[in-house]
Amino acid sequence: KNEVEQSPQNLTAQEGEFITINCSYSVGISALHWLQQHPGGGIVSLFMLSSGKKKHGRLIATINIQEKHSSLHITASHPRDSAVYICAVPLGGGADGLTFGKGTHLIIQP
Amino acid sequence: DGGITQSPKYLFRKEGQNVTLSCEQNLNHDAMYWYRQDPGQGLRLIYYSQIVNDFQKGDIAEGYSVSREKKESFPLTVTSAQKNPTAFYLCASSTWTGGVKGTEAFFGQGTRLTVV
Repeated sequence: KNEVEQSPQNLTAQEGEFITINCSYSVGISALHWLQQHPGGGIVSLFMLSSGKKKHGRLIATINIQEKHSSLHITASHPRDSAVYICAVPLGGGADGLTFGKGTHLIIQP
Repeated sequence: DGGITQSPKYLFRKEGQNVTLSCEQNLNHDAMYWYRQDPGQGLRLIYYSQIVNDFQKGDIAEGYSVSREKKESFPLTVTSAQKNPTAFYLCASSTWTGGVKGTEAFFGQGTRLTVV
């Protein structure tokens, strides 16, 4: 089954800084998900990507299928970006569903 | 608006009692999932269902039961056999394509269950 590693676990930055969060996985996949979890617990899907790069506002996600690695970037970070960012990939091993990284706890200070 | 509704947001139960968490979706999705989140750990799959009247165990199904009588609904029962039921529970859904290609996942707001 697939395993997911995220780094860093915790990240504190100043407003305006460029943020990078990394995700590596062990088994080839059809698509990778980046998710955002706010303190209340609810999760929002940010991106699903299977190749190349996607951009939504100040968020950019890239994936390198050969290297089994993805990055999530935030440009011009803002305190409202403070959240937990989670990478997820298909479980594999014949089971449906996703397996998740432990998340990156991001705090953007004003 | 389409989405997934989980209720309640917070739930307290006494040890030894069964409790059922609700999950409803109006996205017309075939597949629904239940995940559990514990502090410092990634979400883990409890059960999933790809079609009505069928469901499969995930990695941590012991102490839980589910049903899928309607496409829109996938309730999770936390039974007294679950040794550590206090956790955050998330329901998700997606358009299942048999794993041929990735499909976008939608998540509910979660239910925080505390057993005392």
